Amino acid sequence: EAGVAQSPRYKIIEKRQSVAFWCNPISGHATLYWYQQILGQGPKLLIQFQNNGVVDDSQLPKDRFSAERLKGVDSTLKIQPAKLEDSAVYLCASSQWLAGVRGYTFGSGTRLTVV
Amino acid sequence: SQQGEEDPQALSIQEGENATMNCSYKTSINNLQWYRQNSGRGLVHLILIRSNEREKHSGRLRVTLDTSKKSSSLLITASRAADTASYFCATENSGNTPLVFGKGTRLSVIA
Repeated sequence: EAGVAQSPRYKIIEKRQSVAFWCNPISGHATLYWYQQILGQGPKLLIQFQNNGVVDDSQLPKDRFSAERLKGVDSTLKIQPAKLEDSAVYLCASSQWLAGVRGYTFGSGTRLTVV
Repeated sequence: SQQGEEDPQALSIQEGENATMNCSYKTSINNLQWYRQNSGRGLVHLILIRSNEREKHSGRLRVTLDTSKKSSSLLITASRAADTASYFCATENSGNTPLVFGKGTRLSVIA
C-alpha cells in the first residue's frame, strides 16, 4: 500500500511570499488532516477534512492559511502571506476505520523555512 | 492546543538499557497512541492502547495506561542505537476527533 505523499519536501521563502503544499492521501481514506509541527514541539492540528468537507478548522489561522480538498482526494494547504513564525514542518495524514479503531498514516512532511 | 505532556523532554541512555517515557493528558480519551519520529521524517505509529486496557506489549515495547491518573508510559527494552528518535504520545477523545499530540521526548541511545 502506498503511503501518504507530500510535496515539496523542502521550501524556503521570504516573509510575505506565498507558498502551497500538496498532499495525496492513501487511496480510500476519507479523512485527511494537516498538522503544523514547530521545531521542538509536537504536531498541532490545523484542519481536518471528511471527504471534501471541513470537519474542524478551529486552529487554522484563516487570515493567512487556507486549505481545500475539492474532489475528496488530494489536498492543498496555502499560506499567504507567510510570516517568520510559520517556519515549521507541515504534516499531512489520512485515516480509516479498522477493527473499531481509526488508523492514521502520516506523510514525511514539508519543511518550510521563512526568512 | 496540546493535550499531553511527555516526561522527560530528553533522555540519553546506553545501548542495551531500558528507556521509559511518560505521558500525561487532561481530558477523557478513547485511546492513546505512541509515535516515533526520526529527525526530519514523518511520524510512525508504534502502539495503541484503548481506554479500557491497562497494559499492552509489542516486541520490545510495553505501554501502560492509568486512566484514573490520566497518564501513560512507554517502555523500550534493550534499546538500540536505531531507537534514537523523538517519541510522542497522542490521544483520541472520540472516533471523530483528531489526534492531539504531546510535546515529545527526545531519546538518544549511545552505542
